[in-house]
Amino acid sequence: AQSVTQLDSHVSVSEGTPVLLRCNYSSSYSPSLFWYVQHPNKGLQLLLKYTSAATLVKGINGFEAEFKKSETSFHLTKPSAHMSDAAEYFCVVSHSGGSNYKLTFGKGTLLTVNP
Amino acid sequence: DAGVIQSPRHEVTEMGQEVTLRCKPISGHNSLFWYRQTMMRGLELLIYFNNNVPIDDSGMPEDRFSAKMPNASFSTLKIQPSEPRDSAVYFCASSLHLVESEFFGPGTRLTVL
Repeated sequence: AQSVTQLDSHVSVSEGTPVLLRCNYSSSYSPSLFWYVQHPNKGLQLLLKYTSAATLVKGINGFEAEFKKSETSFHLTKPSAHMSDAAEYFCVVSHSGGSNYKLTFGKGTLLTVNP
Repeated sequence: DAGVIQSPRHEVTEMGQEVTLRCKPISGHNSLFWYRQTMMRGLELLIYFNNNVPIDDSGMPEDRFSAKMPNASFSTLKIQPSEPRDSAVYFCASSLHLVESEFFGPGTRLTVL
């Protein structure tokens, strides 16, 4: 079984300050992990993914995430928030075995960026 | 590439009516996914196809829901008959292969009155 827990449903930061969106996962297998972003009334867009290569993953728009197996975490960070970063962020874990495929989404974290 | 294309973008219908949502995946992608997003339940995977074959439909809520993929460039999600609790945003996504990154369409916002 696998699950994803996004520890904060809402994060509010000021423009120019760091962003930290927290995600913990559980998986019986070696997982692939993703972060997606969803702007209002838009579809989801992939920010970055981890697939057992480097533990520090760099994504688009200055975001990065670090896979920490000992902590079962995959937190998303950005050094300096921009107004355009305001959106909902989803942490996702996937597992594939044979022809089976399982994708589990977190509940989402709404990021607000204040001027 | 135009990305994943979904139609219609908005659908308002009355309870009991048939609803058909359409999706055109990215050309060359072998896997296609249908999701439903609501405030209460978040994002749910309904069904996915690999090489046009339905692999897992365990997320389909009821027999009122059905999905087809007659060819590599087209899929439909049908609800018959529709109910108010089906109101949600339905997303289609495609990926090159399973466990590759999924590319999402803009979604269809369905309202069943």
